[in-house]
Amino acid sequence: DTAVSQTPKYLVTQMGNDKSIKCEQNLGHDTMYWYKQDSKKFLKIMFSYNNKELIINETVPNRFSPKSPDKAHLNLHINSLELGDSAVYFCASSQLAGGLYEQYFGPGTRLTVT
Amino acid sequence: GDSVTQMEGPVTLSEEACLTINCTYTATGYPSLFWYVQYPGEGLQLLLKATKADDKGSNKGFEATYRKETTSFHLEKGSVQVSDSAVYFCALSLMEYGNKLVFGAGTILRVKS
Repeated sequence: DTAVSQTPKYLVTQMGNDKSIKCEQNLGHDTMYWYKQDSKKFLKIMFSYNNKELIINETVPNRFSPKSPDKAHLNLHINSLELGDSAVYFCASSQLAGGLYEQYFGPGTRLTVT
Repeated sequence: GDSVTQMEGPVTLSEEACLTINCTYTATGYPSLFWYVQYPGEGLQLLLKATKADDKGSNKGFEATYRKETTSFHLEKGSVQVSDSAVYFCALSLMEYGNKLVFGAGTILRVKS
């Protein structure tokens, strides 16, 4: 069983388009995250939701908007895509209640903007 | 701000050699520390963790000890295998900052047979 899944795995699109990436976790966790990995493999947090409430919102352009319809899902919508948005986007989850600090990652979505 | 510094790679070793990847951190609070591994074309997998000083995390022959006095969490393995070739990330998290992970730059490990 896949614990944290993301769709799509690959996304190729043109500048100016709007796209969404979906994430689902079946671990029963209360917190989900989005991270961006750039071409040099550097990973940085973008957003986090705890029980559908936004708790982390790093310095990310307004074109990026996360949405959490329920605890098991966290989607990322990107408007007006730019070349610099090309990266691998990882979703992760953890259980903060009870102090379980480790995060479990999805397989990633490789976004290529042309 | 909070940060993690790990040794630059790539690190190239022969099979059965000893591995050490250095990791040091700067944190405003009392962080939890992690090592994650990323195999080619895959997502990140938690390798090991430590949540308080002097804790030793271990998994698959890898070990790391949380050293508060030197703010370090070095990754070690006594005998590497070709299958250990991957990118290794040291990371910290702080509950007061929503448990976000702050990653080091990653170290590429290549093991030759």
